[in-house]
Amino acid sequence: AQSVTQLGSHVSVSEGALVLLRCNYSSSVPPYLFWYVQYPNQGLQLLLKYTSAATLVKGINGFEAEFKKSETSFHLTKPSAHMSDAAEYFCAVSESNFGNEKLTFGTGTRLTIIP
Amino acid sequence: EAEVAQSPRYKITEKSQAVAFWCDPISGHATLYWYRQILGQGPELLVQFQDESVVDDSQLPKDRFSAERLKGVDSTLKIQPAELGDSAMYLCASSPLAGTGELFFGEGSRLTVL
Repeated sequence: AQSVTQLGSHVSVSEGALVLLRCNYSSSVPPYLFWYVQYPNQGLQLLLKYTSAATLVKGINGFEAEFKKSETSFHLTKPSAHMSDAAEYFCAVSESNFGNEKLTFGTGTRLTIIP
Repeated sequence: EAEVAQSPRYKITEKSQAVAFWCDPISGHATLYWYRQILGQGPELLVQFQDESVVDDSQLPKDRFSAERLKGVDSTLKIQPAELGDSAMYLCASSPLAGTGELFFGEGSRLTVL
């Protein structure tokens, strides 16, 4: 069965500092991996996705993530945090069978930006 | 840009009452999902449809929850009777048949059971 583990339910960084949100996955087949962002009382918005192409994936709002098979990790980074980055971030894994996608989400990391 | 529509955005009900949520996926998306997100947790899949057929409802509490997608387009999720523990955000998502694994989410329906 597929699963993801997000290390750190809360992360605080200063504005302008590096953002690093950690995600480790478990999957019996080569996975597809995703990072979603959720603002208060809203749905989930896709930040970026890894689907077996380049291991370094660039997403929206300056975020990127690197797929490391040897470490079973897919950590999310951003070089310089902005106040608008404050939100909940979810890592998700899919053992995709096209037309039958099923995402399994982590428990989320709440990112707080300190002015 | 096409979006997944959900209603209502907010619902407050008393326990033992019935409640229903509606979802209209992005046009042409064959697969529709209902997720439940309890406060402070990640979304958990309740039910997955492909067209009008249920693909996975293994996590749906069938004694009180039901879901349908009669014409393979929009969908309704019903809870009867509602319990205090059902308070959560109910998220609908859709994906195309030959997609890349990405799900497109609606803004969700927040349920509070008193």
